[in-house]
Amino acid sequence: GAVVSQHPSRVICKSGTSVKIECRSLDFQATTMFWYRQFPKKSLMLMATSNEGSKATYEQGVEKDKFLINHASLTLSTLTVTSAHPEDSSFYICSAHQREGYNEQFFGPGTRLTVL
Amino acid sequence: GNSVTQMEGPVTLSEEAFLTINCTYTATGYPSLFWYVQYPGEGLQLLLKATKADDKGSNKGFEATYRKETTSFHLEKGSVQVSDSAVYFCALSGGGGYNKLIFGAGTRLAVHP
Repeated sequence: GAVVSQHPSRVICKSGTSVKIECRSLDFQATTMFWYRQFPKKSLMLMATSNEGSKATYEQGVEKDKFLINHASLTLSTLTVTSAHPEDSSFYICSAHQREGYNEQFFGPGTRLTVL
Repeated sequence: GNSVTQMEGPVTLSEEAFLTINCTYTATGYPSLFWYVQYPGEGLQLLLKATKADDKGSNKGFEATYRKETTSFHLEKGSVQVSDSAVYFCALSGGGGYNKLIFGAGTRLAVHP
């Protein structure tokens, strides 16, 4: 149980295009999902906190108009990187906070984004 | 603000060696402390946790004790295996809950036969 999936696992896109990444909690309901960015050989940097049915809360320095987050249901959150540039290339990881019972964040496997 | 500092890697050990990965933190209040592990090609998995001072978290032979006096949460294992090769992240969450994790930089462990 407590599985979080991400799709796609890898994506390559051209500069200027937009890319959508999905994060799903497969067997539990998640009131809160988190989006992280991981740079090579670096730690995870929290980008935003996504609560179901409300606007995401972005960390300082993260452009909300560039990284659009939607949390439309208790099992799905999406991150859209708009007008992507090469510097947006990174590993994006989501986690889901389980609503009931076992109070823990469960992490997805990550999405490798490469912007050419 | 809250922060986590981990020893830099990579750490390279022979099988059955003793492992210590140091982790210290800065936080206001009483954070919960965690160790996560990331195996190659996989997402982060919770390895162990401690929610209050002097608690010891343990799992799969790994242990870490929440030391408030030294603001530390060092990860130890008495005898590592090749399968333990991974990246280990120390993290904290303020307020005793699981919200908004602050991660250390991660320490890569490579265990050789």
